[in-house]
Amino acid sequence: NAGVTQTPKFRILKIGQSMTLQCTQDMNHNYMYWYRQDPGMGLKLIYYSVGAGITDKGEVPNGYNVSRSTTEDFPLRLELAAPSQTSVYFCASSYSYSYNSPLHFGNGTRLTVT
Amino acid sequence: AQSVSQHNHHVILSEAASLELGCNYSYGGTVNLFWYVQYPGQHLQLLLKYFSGDPLVKGIKGFEAEFIKSKFSFNLRKPSVQWSDTAEYFCAVTCCHSGGTSYGKLTFGQGTILTVHP
Repeated sequence: NAGVTQTPKFRILKIGQSMTLQCTQDMNHNYMYWYRQDPGMGLKLIYYSVGAGITDKGEVPNGYNVSRSTTEDFPLRLELAAPSQTSVYFCASSYSYSYNSPLHFGNGTRLTVT
Repeated sequence: AQSVSQHNHHVILSEAASLELGCNYSYGGTVNLFWYVQYPGQHLQLLLKYFSGDPLVKGIKGFEAEFIKSKFSFNLRKPSVQWSDTAEYFCAVTCCHSGGTSYGKLTFGQGTILTVHP
């Protein structure tokens, strides 16, 4: 049982490049989330999904896209990378939206855009 | 909009010292509160959570937190810290919208880095 797996762990992009951050979970969780973590700013929700085929914007969705074709996978797409997207990205999942269902986080992807 | 404020950015303690990390939130409705911990190089892990009932919540590794509704606070405490408690600590509240569910969305505070010297 691997939990939430994110790839890659590190990536350097040039301005204008695109990339996809991968996230997969093997816990059969319906709910999945993408957060970004900036120093001194805590975590901000980018996008979330409540099940396959259903996604919605979080607090800071601009510059990102997501898809959820399967229960297991929730990739985050950056189409035109900008320096403001330099951050650490965390994917998370939960069994339900019940408050008794905590978030399980991946190990993060550290992205630098130069 | 909901917000969570953690007053201390960086706390430095010696082993065996007592710890209290402040957390205040701004939300007028029913809240659910969490403390997450991120050890160096690791992902966030749930430390403890409050939903209802006893406002004093006990979590893992000897941590506890007290929910004080009148002060909109949920401070984290530990009587005697250890070197292994060195980590970043995040307070979070569910992001609830009127008429809907939170879908587990959390609003996080800025984080407090705790450094414990042996």
